[in-house]
Amino acid sequence: DVKVTQSSRYLVKRTGEKVFLECVQDMDHENMFWYRQDPGLGLRLIYFSYDVKMKEKGDIPEGYSVSREKKERFSLILESASTNQTSMYLCASSELGAGGMPYEQYFGPGTRLTVT
Amino acid sequence: KQEVTQIPAALSVPEGENLVLNCSFTDSAIYNLQWFRQDPGKGLTSLLLIQSSQREQTSGRLNASLDKSSGRSTLYIAASQPGDSATYLCAVTGVTGGFKTIFGAGTRLFVKA
Repeated sequence: DVKVTQSSRYLVKRTGEKVFLECVQDMDHENMFWYRQDPGLGLRLIYFSYDVKMKEKGDIPEGYSVSREKKERFSLILESASTNQTSMYLCASSELGAGGMPYEQYFGPGTRLTVT
Repeated sequence: KQEVTQIPAALSVPEGENLVLNCSFTDSAIYNLQWFRQDPGKGLTSLLLIQSSQREQTSGRLNASLDKSSGRSTLYIAASQPGDSATYLCAVTGVTGGFKTIFGAGTRLFVKA
């Protein structure tokens, strides 16, 4: 079974802090994704990576950065946390399908981040 | 720009009923469509993946169909159980626009015992 783990289930941080969210997958997947989920807005893609050290912006990258130094690990960084970044953060991974498209996506349990 | 709509937003049914959840999308140039289940406060669990060349996929009591030309997918749940209560999301990965997957807002299902 594919397993995607996230470093924390719940996290409380103060405004202005630098926040690191870690995601690890154990299936040697090429693609990894970071989403945030908010009531009424659904899931929105922040960043994705299709290879080590490669990254692409999603729909809402402002205020975030990512790091992928190893294939199994994809980190989301909030450079200076703000209250509007309070959200559920979900990591996912998938194999690289034909033409570079993502195959089936597998999600981690999520990190509920509160910024006060 | 791809838009994914799920109807209804919420559904309450008695245990044992067969039910259909609907998903529609605006751009038929898709790579695949995936159905997920999400329990409150948890991550998404993959239920079924349908590639663009497929018409349907089945897993246990679940059957998902895909009609690309009309931009529609349905998730059929047979003999529903209280344990099926969750939010069901569909997600479409398009051929254009890079790797992005667009998610619907979900259908919240409640199965009454």
